[in-house]
Amino acid sequence: SQTIHQWPATLVQPVGSPLSLECTVEGTSNPNLYWYRQAAGRGLQLLFYSVGIGQISSEVPQNLSASRPQDRQFILSSKKLLLSDSGFYLCAWAGNYNEQFFGPGTRLTVL
Amino acid sequence: KNEVEQSPQNLTAQEGEFITINCSYSVGISALHWLQQHPGGGIVSLFMLSSGKKKHGRLIATINIQEKHSSLHITASHPRDSAVYICAVRPYSGAGSYQLTFGKGTKLSVIP
Repeated sequence: SQTIHQWPATLVQPVGSPLSLECTVEGTSNPNLYWYRQAAGRGLQLLFYSVGIGQISSEVPQNLSASRPQDRQFILSSKKLLLSDSGFYLCAWAGNYNEQFFGPGTRLTVL
Repeated sequence: KNEVEQSPQNLTAQEGEFITINCSYSVGISALHWLQQHPGGGIVSLFMLSSGKKKHGRLIATINIQEKHSSLHITASHPRDSAVYICAVRPYSGAGSYQLTFGKGTKLSVIP
């Protein structure tokens, strides 16, 4: 069965510090991978998606970047965090029949 | 621009009540998802549908493609159903990737 991992589960970082969130998927190969953010009081927003190693598409201009160094690894990064980067970050992948599987999420608080 | 609107935003029900959550969208879609988000934040996919009706246990999801509308029903609601229910659609773009546009969610509280 497929499993998706995210870490860390929670993170508190000062403004201006770097960020690295990791997502890994088990039980599937060449998945489409997604990073979403859920800001307080707002719906989920797609940040990045990847259809393969080294292939990243960005949906919104922002202070974040993403990388996919391996088939089942998806990383979300920032060089300098902003207060507005606070939120709940979810990694997801799309199955063969386009069903979406979500990771447990990382709650990021930028102070 | 694709808009996904859910109603109501908040819903409080007594245990055992029949619950309906509505979702409307503005563009043609290839699929619609209903998701459940628990207080800890984790999200579970409940349904993916492109036409008609699906049922899983006490949950029923329907979609009317012509009217661009979907409903999620919960029969015999229970306090453990308390969660945020999110509607998400995939616009019919023909793109290779599978991208969703999300509603803001409906927060359901079921009181014993």
